[in-house]
Amino acid sequence: QSVLTQPPSASGTPGQRVTISCSGSTSNIGSNDVYWYQQLPTTAPKLLIYSNNQRPSGVPDRFSGSRSGTSASLAISGLRSEDEADYYCASWDDSLSGLYVFGTGTKVTVL
Amino acid sequence: QVQLQESGPRLVKPSQTLSLTCEVYGASIDSYFCTWIRQPPGKGLEWIGNIHYSGRTIYNPSLKRRITMSVESSGNHFSLKMTSMTAADTALYYCATDVGGSGHLRDWGQGTLVTVSS
Repeated sequence: QSVLTQPPSASGTPGQRVTISCSGSTSNIGSNDVYWYQQLPTTAPKLLIYSNNQRPSGVPDRFSGSRSGTSASLAISGLRSEDEADYYCASWDDSLSGLYVFGTGTKVTVL
Repeated sequence: QVQLQESGPRLVKPSQTLSLTCEVYGASIDSYFCTWIRQPPGKGLEWIGNIHYSGRTIYNPSLKRRITMSVESSGNHFSLKMTSMTAADTALYYCATDVGGSGHLRDWGQGTLVTVSS
């Protein structure tokens, strides 16, 4: 059972902005960096955001991340059909002797 | 560009030990931490643990008693062993490079599906 909670689903029409939340606690998001991964159907996850709001080379600037307190968010602006995928947040959790936790995952559907 | 390839048995019997290898191409493994992640069919991601080239490891506490990670100095790869396999361990197993051990999982293998069944 994950300690990072995400909404199971989110949707939008092409061009819209979609936001995904990731709720944690002081032992994870509240004190550690947040990462976001995109998993397209039948493929391995791909790093989308690191260190809360940094994009790896090649990730479009339509994707942005933020962190505030014990929560984080991923925003997708100008939604495109190819953004239909599962999205996971992740962070280290200090409550145990070293544990990297993934969020519950959010399925984004482009209507 | 760094590429990773997982390999190992696709079918494991209950109570047996799983052995997986993560081959790294395009870079020397002495630059990396290697992280293992798994994903049961239709479910989310679970972090198994990571290992540095030096051999230093961090394991998921819930799996710690059953797993061993190692670096194979004779080749450019990392290994994972998981004992006492059960049906609950059926999953896609991924390896990924972890930049500085920070949780920045930059490069991922395509994953290998392991089914536990008699």
